[in-house]
Amino acid sequence: EVQLVESGGGSVQPGRSLRLSCAASGFTFDDYGMLWVRQVPGKGLEWVSGINWNSGSIGYADSVKGRFTISRDNAKNSLYLQMNSLRLEDTALYYCAKGYSYDQSTFIDYWGQGTLVTVSS
Amino acid sequence: ELVLTQSPGTLSLSPGERVTLSCRASQTIASRYLAWYQQKLGQAPRLLIYGASSRATGIPDRISGSGSGTDFTLTISRLEPEDFAVYYCQQYDSSSPVTFGGGTKVEI
Repeated sequence: EVQLVESGGGSVQPGRSLRLSCAASGFTFDDYGMLWVRQVPGKGLEWVSGINWNSGSIGYADSVKGRFTISRDNAKNSLYLQMNSLRLEDTALYYCAKGYSYDQSTFIDYWGQGTLVTVSS
Repeated sequence: ELVLTQSPGTLSLSPGERVTLSCRASQTIASRYLAWYQQKLGQAPRLLIYGASSRATGIPDRISGSGSGTDFTLTISRLEPEDFAVYYCQQYDSSSPVTFGGGTKVEI
């Protein structure tokens, strides 16, 4: 059974940093692209970032480019999102998601339950 | 950026009715790289359709997808009580960053 378990969310002041982690199990992690998608409660889905199977191809939404960094550790079956210079508008539920293919630009066949990030002064 | 526009924003329907949801892209999506997801309150999204028309594992055949180019459709032939949810389209054309549509809520 595929499982994606996010951690690292919490409350933080504007300008500070957080690092999200996603522990993956139930599939061969280094065969697949992985994504982070966020959702403001009550609003729509926003793609944040994607990374291909070997970290050779990475993409970011314009809204986070230069502030967020996605990475993965295939030996640890883990995905990460380093979030710096956080803004009020980064407040959202952050989902870790498994891509269907090895690419970072792919559709999502499994989602985690999300970790909530609240940016507030 | 490739923008996806979903319409209508909300649909009020009854069980047994047929529903058609629209997803329109600001530019052609290559190779029909479009997916549909269903999201219920308090839950993560669930994949319904990929490649514009291929059903994901376990999705009943009353749910179907169609379209190409810039115009795509999700159809539910007969609404069941469990179908009342929010539906999102997503494009994954590699020439553009991944984007989602704004969603359509199907309510009773």
